[in-house]
Amino acid sequence: EVQLLESGGGLVQPGGSLRLSCAASGFTFGNYIMSWVRQAPGKGPEWVSGITASADKTYYADSVKGRFSISRDNSKNRLYLQMSSLRAEDTAVYYCGKDGSERPVQHWGQGTLVAVSS
Amino acid sequence: IQMTQSPSTWSASVGDRVTITCRASQSFNSWLAWYQQKPGKAPKLLIYKTSTLESGVPSRFSGSGSGTEFALTISGLQPDDFATYYCLQYNTYPWAFGQGTKVEMK
Repeated sequence: EVQLLESGGGLVQPGGSLRLSCAASGFTFGNYIMSWVRQAPGKGPEWVSGITASADKTYYADSVKGRFSISRDNSKNRLYLQMSSLRAEDTAVYYCGKDGSERPVQHWGQGTLVAVSS
Repeated sequence: IQMTQSPSTWSASVGDRVTITCRASQSFNSWLAWYQQKPGKAPKLLIYKTSTLESGVPSRFSGSGSGTEFALTISGLQPDDFATYYCLQYNTYPWAFGQGTKVEMK
């Protein structure tokens, strides 16, 4: 069974930094594209970032480009999202997602809440 | 590629046929998915590659479209289907969700 468990969320001041982590199990992690998707309170989901299986390519939403960095450690079955220069509008539940064959995010974690406020 | 989804709300009754549309800002080939989301839960994949039903999803859900116009149809709405639905284009990075359609009870 695919399991994705996010951690690292919390309250941070504007301009601060935070590192999210996603622990994956139940599948061969190094074979799959992984994504981060966020959802602000009362809003729809927003795709944030994606990384290829071998980590040779990374992709970002315009809203986070230059501030967020996605990475992975296939030896540890871990996905990361380093977030810096955080803004109030980055407040959201952040989900880790596993893509599938010809599918976008097929499996989701339970999410971790990031709140940016002074 | 940006996605414009309509309507934002659909008031319906059990048994109704519901059609939700997504319009893309530019044409693309088939890499379009539909998700269902219920309050407090992560989205659930219903359809991928425009019209392929995800395993375990009831056959009353169907997807269609091409180019810039895509649609999700629910044929015979069931009580469990009252939820919010989102399209997602994954043809080109950055991927983009539609704004969502809430299917509510009339």
